[in-house]
Amino acid sequence: GAVVSQHPSRVICKSGTSVKIECRSLDFQATTMFWYRQFPKQSLMLMATSNEGSKATYEQGVEKDKFLINHASLTLSTLTVTSAHPEDSSFYICSARAGGLDQPQHFGDGTRLSIL
Amino acid sequence: AQSVTQLGSHVSVSEGALVLLRCNYSSSVPPYLFWYVQYPNQGLQLLLKYTTGATLVKGINGFEAEFKKSETSFHLTKPSAHMSDAAEYFCAVSVSASGGSYIPTFGRGTSLIVHP
Repeated sequence: GAVVSQHPSRVICKSGTSVKIECRSLDFQATTMFWYRQFPKQSLMLMATSNEGSKATYEQGVEKDKFLINHASLTLSTLTVTSAHPEDSSFYICSARAGGLDQPQHFGDGTRLSIL
Repeated sequence: AQSVTQLGSHVSVSEGALVLLRCNYSSSVPPYLFWYVQYPNQGLQLLLKYTTGATLVKGINGFEAEFKKSETSFHLTKPSAHMSDAAEYFCAVSVSASGGSYIPTFGRGTSLIVHP
């Protein structure tokens, strides 16, 4: 149980393109979803936290207009990287959590974004 | 604010040897503690978690961790390493914050290398 599907797994596109990444909880309702960015050989950097039906809470230093997050339902959240540039190239991971504070996060398999 | 420290960015063991990955945390309130494993180009998978109750927690793949409040530690162990255990391991802590929200905090990760 507790499967999170993240799509696409890999994206290669030109500079200036906008890229949308989807995160779906397949067999549970995710009250909260998280978006992370991970640089090579480093830990996860939390970008934003989103709750269904409300605006995402962004971490300091993360541009809201650059990284658009929509959490339209209890099973779907999307991250759109607008006008992507080479410095946005990274591994993006989503996770979903259901229920209380003692519940673990369930992670998607990540999206490798490469901007040429 | 809570924080997590994972001692040693790399741990190298021989196949069949004991695995010990260290995690120390700081928190002003009782924490919830988690260990996750990440294989290359994948998301994170929950190994085990501590919330309340028994301080020795058993997880998947033969791993276990012990919560020691006096030492503010949650070290991860496995009696006998397998080649398939080679991966990146992350310790995480979450605590209840005002308003019922929380931000999970991850350690920097420890890369486990298993030699034949």
